[in-house]
Amino acid sequence: SQQGEEDPQALSIQEGENATMNCSYKTSINNLQWYRQNSGRGLVHLILIRSNEREKHSGRLRVTLDTSKKSSSLLITASRAADTASYFCATEGYSTLTFGKGTMLLVSP
Amino acid sequence: DTEVTQTPKHLVMGMTNKKSLKCEQHMGHRAMYWYKQKAKKPPELMFVYSYEKLSINESVPSRFSPECPNSSLLNLHLHALQPEDSALYLCASSQDSWLTEKSYGYTFGSGTRLTVV
Repeated sequence: SQQGEEDPQALSIQEGENATMNCSYKTSINNLQWYRQNSGRGLVHLILIRSNEREKHSGRLRVTLDTSKKSSSLLITASRAADTASYFCATEGYSTLTFGKGTMLLVSP
Repeated sequence: DTEVTQTPKHLVMGMTNKKSLKCEQHMGHRAMYWYKQKAKKPPELMFVYSYEKLSINESVPSRFSPECPNSSLLNLHLHALQPEDSALYLCASSQDSWLTEKSYGYTFGSGTRLTVV
């Protein structure tokens, strides 16, 4: 069953702009992860933030987690055309990873 | 080796056929997973293997039969599928499904795009 809800469902920006995607979830989690998927192929793990962390950075990615609001955000700075993909948040509970509905990001040159 | 390899990449099968999807990883991960993804939808968990034993079956129809011959291999046997089973089937692995506080995320394969005719 799906736990996360991403917002927005689709996002269209120009190269160089920042992209922000939000994720809300319903139950307690051990960690929250973000994945990217290009053209319906495999998912690529981007970043993991644990339930006791509030913010994490990796290159052009910044993830925040607010466990009191059960929400997370993914910020991609200085976007590139190659960032065009679907982005999913996923919550990891006991033994399973459950995905949200995803955000489709289109970065135009 | 930091990859999960899935074969075949594409598969077309009739409703009376028997086929198998294969997944292999050599990262020493002890948990392996099968996910199903329909177009424009998120992946949905089907099965979890932990230390080569089936630990979770998400009420998947018996026409899907998973098998874990060893810690590096995961198969999904398909029999008498329906057209609505057409989807992208993703295999993933992680270090240990029971120690989520030590999780570093899942590694996914590129998937098998299955079409049932």
